[in-house]
Amino acid sequence: GESVGLHLPTLSVQEGDNSIINCAYSNSASDYFIWYKQESGKGPQFIIDIRSNMDKRQGQRVTVLLNKTVKHLSLQIAATQPGDSAVYFCAGLGRALIFGQGTELSVKP
Amino acid sequence: DGGITQSPKYLFRKEGQNVTLSCEQNLNHDAMYWYRQDPGQGLRLIYYSQIVNDFQKGDIAEGYSVSREKKESFPLTVTSAQKNPTAFYLCASSTGLAPSYEQYFGPGTRLTVT
Repeated sequence: GESVGLHLPTLSVQEGDNSIINCAYSNSASDYFIWYKQESGKGPQFIIDIRSNMDKRQGQRVTVLLNKTVKHLSLQIAATQPGDSAVYFCAGLGRALIFGQGTELSVKP
Repeated sequence: DGGITQSPKYLFRKEGQNVTLSCEQNLNHDAMYWYRQDPGQGLRLIYYSQIVNDFQKGDIAEGYSVSREKKESFPLTVTSAQKNPTAFYLCASSTGLAPSYEQYFGPGTRLTVT
């Protein structure tokens, strides 16, 4: 079946350090993935996406890596800031987007 | 401003009552979606609609109903048959076309049923 899941429910990093959030997907999940950021009490916001014909995609301070061999993708945030504190979801395209459970990122000043 | 609006932000109802959550978009998107989010959990798909007058059940459609009479509107009714209706409800829309399936989300409605 289709599933998208995350390895860790919480991640705490020091301000200025890099953050890495991981996500795994099952065999039939998707050839398209999105990372979303959700702040408390708000709807998710798009961060970056990647298609399965790519291994890496970079945005502003964010990089998504896709490893199709082990069905794993990660979101890297460079120089993490307090404003990056939120829950991060990976989502894969099935008949609609299939969301993982989310990782809560806390940034310590 | 283009976007998705959901109203109200907070909604309280007594058990046994049906309640309808509003979702409107002015992005001219064909596809619209409803998700439910419980504390510490990811988003679960309730219903989605790829075109006016057509909609499909998601993973947890039992106890919910929708309509799509207009492109810009996709209201969700939480019926008394839904056993655990208290949750954060998120509406989203997308163009539904490749290469991007990015979904734009509304601010959400927090429903509390007592």
